[in-house]
Amino acid sequence: DQQVKQNSPSLSVQEGRISILNCDYTNSMFDYFLWYKKYPAEGPTFLISISSIKDKNEDGRFTVFLNKSAKHLSLHIVPSQPGDSAVYFCAATYRGSQGNLIFGKGTKLSVKP
Amino acid sequence: EADIYQTPRYLVIGTGKKITLECSQTMGHDKMYWYQQDPGMELHLIHYSYGVNSTEKGDLSSESTVSRIRTEHFPLTLESARPSHTSQYLCASSGFGGVKTQYFGPGTRLLVL
Repeated sequence: DQQVKQNSPSLSVQEGRISILNCDYTNSMFDYFLWYKKYPAEGPTFLISISSIKDKNEDGRFTVFLNKSAKHLSLHIVPSQPGDSAVYFCAATYRGSQGNLIFGKGTKLSVKP
Repeated sequence: EADIYQTPRYLVIGTGKKITLECSQTMGHDKMYWYQQDPGMELHLIHYSYGVNSTEKGDLSSESTVSRIRTEHFPLTLESARPSHTSQYLCASSGFGGVKTQYFGPGTRLLVL
């Protein structure tokens, strides 16, 4: 049973517009969430994270929003650039999990010029 | 960002061969991880280590084995490769204490014929 779900396998956005990637989770024990970006044939690269004590974290063009009551988080990329085209993975963990991350299946983002 | 290396990047090998996938990190991280990922799927944790002489099995059962004799080195071994082992193998490490961000190597793409 998937604890972290990314229900959109793909997303296509025009350059300069906003990209919104969504992630839902089922385990209420999760208290820390991360987003990774992955290019083909490369390892995932850490993008941004958020603790459950916050509802928003921002880093440059990337903002993550957390809605604990809905068990939902989203990654906003503004403005989107062609170099953002990649697969984005949502991951979650909790105190007591020894730092082990649970990943979603990823969303492939295509940013068109 | 952690410096973490994996060799080989690509490996094509016949059934029954013994293989070792290498992973090294230069950040002195105590925790290291091995994930397996198939296209369009989530990353599955197959092994992890808290430090030297510590190894644990992950969520996904794997026929591979690991060792942690040195802090910086976490190799994965398959005694007898099979076509079902064909996948991408990703190594990661994370820092001390409560730091939860994992940093990934570039991965090894394994094809077993």
